[in-house]
Amino acid sequence: GENVEQHPSTLSVQEGDSAVIKCTYSDSASNYFPWYKQELGKRPQLIIDIRSNVGEKKDQRIAVTLNKTAKHFSLHITETQPEDSAVYFCAASKSGGGADGLTFGKGTHLIIQP
Amino acid sequence: GAVVSQHPSRVICKSGTSVKIECRSLDFQATTMFWYRQFPKQSLMLMATSNEGSKATYEQGVEKDKFLINHASLTLSTLTVTSAHPEDSSFYICSASVRQRGTDTQYFGPGTRLTVL
Repeated sequence: GENVEQHPSTLSVQEGDSAVIKCTYSDSASNYFPWYKQELGKRPQLIIDIRSNVGEKKDQRIAVTLNKTAKHFSLHITETQPEDSAVYFCAASKSGGGADGLTFGKGTHLIIQP
Repeated sequence: GAVVSQHPSRVICKSGTSVKIECRSLDFQATTMFWYRQFPKQSLMLMATSNEGSKATYEQGVEKDKFLINHASLTLSTLTVTSAHPEDSSFYICSASVRQRGTDTQYFGPGTRLTVL
């Protein structure tokens, strides 16, 4: 089955700096790669996703890049703010988010230092 | 749009009892729902895929007789933890797949925290 590796497990950055979280996946059939933000005790919230037919997607301060050949994708957050502090999970799916469940990475605890 | 609810949000029960958790899609019909489990400070692990009108598909290592899933309608899936034990204590989260603008996206419910004494 699919295996998703995520690094780093903890990331501390100064407010205003950029943060980058990286994930790799093993199954070349995976074609959908969402990123979720989870605050303590809350549900995961989708912040951005990318499908295998594109290499990059951006939404304001958040961007995701995908390298299908290398089987890795990354989350980039620019101009970080205190409210960005949370646990971020990457995930992969073979069915574009529809019929198959998501395989998650182990998560990155992002800490924004004031 | 794409709101998923779960009930209850929190449950504490004695060992050996059964607990039912409901997952509802509030403003859309979901032919497919998913059940995940999350232990403290860990990632989400897919337990099973629930399809309306058919049997659920369980992931390897998940006991289908212990975690009963029913998807009786396009807006409701239920997970019943039978004969719960302390090791079943966890955060159970459902998600529903919705098609928007020709693509599918999963949205999560708020989760149910189960504590088995």
